Amino acid sequence: SQTIHQWPATLVQPVGSPLSLECTVEGTSNPNLYWYRQAAGRGLQLLFYSVGIGQISSEVPQNLSASRPQDRQFILSSKKLLLSDSGFYLCAWSVGSNNEQFFGPGTRLTVL
Amino acid sequence: QKEVEQNSGPLSVPEGAIASLNCTYSDRVSQSFFWYRQYSGKSPELIMSIYSNGDKEDGRFTAQLNKASQYVSLLIRDSQPSDSATYLCAVNRMDSSYKLIFGSGTRLLVRP
Repeated sequence: SQTIHQWPATLVQPVGSPLSLECTVEGTSNPNLYWYRQAAGRGLQLLFYSVGIGQISSEVPQNLSASRPQDRQFILSSKKLLLSDSGFYLCAWSVGSNNEQFFGPGTRLTVL
Repeated sequence: QKEVEQNSGPLSVPEGAIASLNCTYSDRVSQSFFWYRQYSGKSPELIMSIYSNGDKEDGRFTAQLNKASQYVSLLIRDSQPSDSATYLCAVNRMDSSYKLIFGSGTRLLVRP
């Protein structure tokens, strides 16, 4: 069966510091991978998605970036965090044309 | 007009009752429809997928799709306090098959 891991689970970072969140998927090959952000009490905002190694599509211009160095690894980064980057960051995967997406446990980021 | 609309709630039902959650979408080319359950502080969990008009049943859950009316609903029979959560509707558009469009969610409260 497939599993998806995210770490860290929680993170408190000062404004201006760098960020690296990691997501890995097990039990499937060549998945589509996604990064979402959910602000407190808000809906899901798609940040990036990837259909293969090195292929990244950005949905929202911002100070975040994503990379996919391996088939089942997806990384979200920032060089300098802003207060507005606080939120719940979710990684998801899907395979097949129906696009059923399955979410990881998430990383709760607080920028102070 | 939002692409996917849900009543934010809260929808309050007594234990044992049927909870009816509704979702409308604006794009007629949408082809796949999903319901996610999100407990407070947790990541969304896929509970139902539906692709063709009509009803789809899975245990206490029934998803209903009417593409002509651009309407999808989720019925929860014999509601339990453990069903209390936010339910997210998501739609996959044919012209952007890698992306899901999420509604903002309906909060369900099941009273013991």
